[in-house]
Amino acid sequence: EVQLVQSGAEVKKPGESLKISCKGSGYSFTSYWIGWVRQMPGKGLEWMGIIYPGDSDTRYSPSFQGQVTISADKSISTAYLQWSSLKASDTAMYYCVRHNIAVAGGDYWGQGTLVTVSS
Amino acid sequence: DIVMTQSPDSLAVSLGERATINCKSSQSVLYSSNNKNYLAWYQQKPGQPPKLLIYWASTRESGVPDRFSGSGSGTDFTLTISSLQAEDVAVYYCQQYYSTPQFTFGPGTKVDIK
Repeated sequence: EVQLVQSGAEVKKPGESLKISCKGSGYSFTSYWIGWVRQMPGKGLEWMGIIYPGDSDTRYSPSFQGQVTISADKSISTAYLQWSSLKASDTAMYYCVRHNIAVAGGDYWGQGTLVTVSS
Repeated sequence: DIVMTQSPDSLAVSLGERATINCKSSQSVLYSSNNKNYLAWYQQKPGQPPKLLIYWASTRESGVPDRFSGSGSGTDFTLTISSLQAEDVAVYYCQQYYSTPQFTFGPGTKVDIK
């Protein structure tokens, strides 16, 4: 069974750093792109970027370039999303999603990680 | 950048009636090399991650009820729920996969029961 399991909710202060994770199982982790999606409270979905764990090819949406870092460790089938200095405006739910080029869509999603940034 | 718009923002439909959601892209998402539209539809229920319903604009994902259908090509697309059920109350999003790496979503359409 394909699963993407994300790390738990985080509460951080502005200026702190953070790295959240997304562990894939039940499929060849290195053969599918993993994307990250932000959903701010009560708002829609925003595409942040994508990584191919097989060779760590990473591409960012212009809105998020320089604001976050996407990485992956294929030895443990895990993708990451990290911030070096959080802002209150980073408060949101973050989803990882497997991008399946065979269907040109996100066919499996993580359960989401809620990040709250507050002083 | 490809901008996605959806209409209406929300709609309320009686149980058993048809619901229609429109999605428009600012440029074509049809790849001429394979004649496929790089457009997907998702359903998101409260407190849950999105769920893929339709890909290639009109292909139903495995396990999705056949009351859901997608149509359209180029820049104009439609998601139709032929007979609304109570469990279909959700927000529906379209997303284009044509323009790497910015796979933009539409703003969403909320579907409720009238």
